[in-house]
Amino acid sequence: EVHLVESGGGLVQPGGSLRLSCAASGFTFSSYSMNWVRQAPGKGLEWVSYISSSSSTIYYADSVNGRFTISRDNAKNSLYLQMNSLRAEDTAVYYCATISGLTFDYWGQGTLVTLS
Amino acid sequence: QSALTQPRSVSGSPGQSVTISCTGTSSDVGGYNYVSWYQQHPGKAPKLMIYDVSKWPSGVPDRFSGSKSGNTASLTISGLQAEDEADYYCCSYAGSYTWVFGGGTKLTVL
Repeated sequence: EVHLVESGGGLVQPGGSLRLSCAASGFTFSSYSMNWVRQAPGKGLEWVSYISSSSSTIYYADSVNGRFTISRDNAKNSLYLQMNSLRAEDTAVYYCATISGLTFDYWGQGTLVTLS
Repeated sequence: QSALTQPRSVSGSPGQSVTISCTGTSSDVGGYNYVSWYQQHPGKAPKLMIYDVSKWPSGVPDRFSGSKSGNTASLTISGLQAEDEADYYCCSYAGSYTWVFGGGTKLTVL
């Protein structure tokens, strides 16, 4: 069974940094591209970033480009999101999600990042 | 990367059918057959319900169906059940490994 567990969220001041992690199990992590998707409180979903299985291809939403860095460690079955220069509008639940074809198929339960 | 347009809310009685629309542009919905739909209950993670416009993931009942015409995709839920009450989001591939979501639609089962 696919299992994704995000961690690293918390309360941070504007301008600060935070590193999110996503621990994967139940599938061959190194064979799958991964994504981060976020959801501001009471708002809709927003795609944040994509990383291919080998880390050779990386893309970001315009809203985070230049401030966030996605990475992965296939040996540790882990996905990361380094968030710098955080803004109030970055307050959200951050989900990691697997991708099959061009569809987000499995999602973690999310970790909350709050700017205050 | 503008959000896709969905109605804020729809409603229906048990047993009835409802359709949720999702309007984008030729750069996303209209340009690719990679529209997916997600169901989200309060406090829970999104769940994939439809992918590639009209395909069902394993375990999703065929009461849920998807379609697309031009720049607009649609999710139809037939035989409404109480447990279908949730938020629904459409999502479209937008090229160059980027995606765009809709603003979400709250489904109320009366």
